[in-house]
Amino acid sequence: GNSVTQMEGPVTLSEEAFLTINCTYTATGYPSLFWYVQYPGEGLQLLLKATKADDKGSNKGFEATYRKETTSFHLEKGSVQVSDSAVYFCALSGNYGGSQGNLIFGKGTKLSVKP
Amino acid sequence: KAGVTQTPRYLIKTRGQQVTLSCSPISGHRSVSWYQQTPGQGLQFLFEYFSETQRNKGNFPGRFSGRQFSNSRSEMNVSTLELGDSALYLCASQRTSELNTEAFFGQGTRLTVV
Repeated sequence: GNSVTQMEGPVTLSEEAFLTINCTYTATGYPSLFWYVQYPGEGLQLLLKATKADDKGSNKGFEATYRKETTSFHLEKGSVQVSDSAVYFCALSGNYGGSQGNLIFGKGTKLSVKP
Repeated sequence: KAGVTQTPRYLIKTRGQQVTLSCSPISGHRSVSWYQQTPGQGLQFLFEYFSETQRNKGNFPGRFSGRQFSNSRSEMNVSTLELGDSALYLCASQRTSELNTEAFFGQGTRLTVV
């Protein structure tokens, strides 16, 4: 079945460091891909998305490119801030209408950014 | 506008009891989905409702059930609680179930089974 694998955390970086969180997926067909972020004590927020191969999603300095050939959707940010400390989840749509109502999530990667 | 509201925020129940959790979606949203979040299993999809009909269901036992009302509010019920049901239960709402409409999550209900 469909699944998402993302790098284990926690990840600890210094402010202004470069961030990469790896995400690979297994799916038949062409799912949509998402990154969600969960700040302490809050629900999940959509960070960015990509709906087809070679699409690049971007938001708040974060980027991820939908790579069909490597079945990957790695999250990157050039210069992290303390405020980026959170848990990041990679996800794919579980059905092929692309609805976000049926998402398959990775286990999450906790990011801590030190001043 | 108000976000997704889940009640209660925290709940402690005894094994064998049943529990009902509530989710009020964003006004105008007709789709509601439920997820279970645990440290071991991560986020797992429970079910999705759209216009009072269950559209999708995850791989959970029949003890987990849900429904959606005509005002789009949704409830999920867990019967005969087990210790392993302790989790954060998240609800998400979408305006429709059309392609790529954004899902907005509530803060969750933290259920502890003792």
